[in-house]
Amino acid sequence: DAKTTQPPSMDCAEGRAANLPCNHSTISGNEYVYWYRQIHSQGPQYIIHGLKNNETNEMASLIITEDRKSSTLILPHATLRDTAVYYCIVRAGGNQFYFGTGTSLTVIP
Amino acid sequence: GAGVSQSPSNKVTEKGKDVELRCDPISGHTALYWYRQSLGQGLEFLIYFQGNSAPDKSGLPSDRFSAERTGGSVSTLTIQRTQQEDSAVYLCASNGGRETQYFGPGTRLLVL
Repeated sequence: DAKTTQPPSMDCAEGRAANLPCNHSTISGNEYVYWYRQIHSQGPQYIIHGLKNNETNEMASLIITEDRKSSTLILPHATLRDTAVYYCIVRAGGNQFYFGTGTSLTVIP
Repeated sequence: GAGVSQSPSNKVTEKGKDVELRCDPISGHTALYWYRQSLGQGLEFLIYFQGNSAPDKSGLPSDRFSAERTGGSVSTLTIQRTQQEDSAVYLCASNGGRETQYFGPGTRLLVL
């Protein structure tokens, strides 16, 4: 599975949109992009995933570039409870999810 | 419905002792994963069970680590002769054939 690159940390003002970038320049055609987040002292939580098209659910939106080499997770109105480590993962299926070290997002009041 | 549960939530042991960590996946989920997360680090894959297939043990760091999944449900991760570097949070996840993993709260292991 391809590996991902994320900034180690980001801040976002409460109520504003949080845009979390992820580079996955070696992604293969059959690999999906997944986003999970981990709030302190809890297990990771699934947020969203996609292949080519942009995706939206009740938690977030996922924007994937046309060449699929990067993506952005958007939390439209960040709250203090969105403070967490956000992991971007690419995976073709099978066994492993490679989580990496993620982006630590701090939402500031 | 009930999520993934793990026990114990915390475990303190002495170096050289054996420990067993338990995971109860979501009922009906055929796939089960174990991960390890050291302080301030990302998740490290350990082992994967899928139905009755042979488990993928490629992530186990040494032969002191083993895992079983009895009856396709509950799983036990065993660490023999624990070392201080085994101290970490051990996370279990399951999925039922869809793409998302559901994680348990983890077991925090401290080896003194």
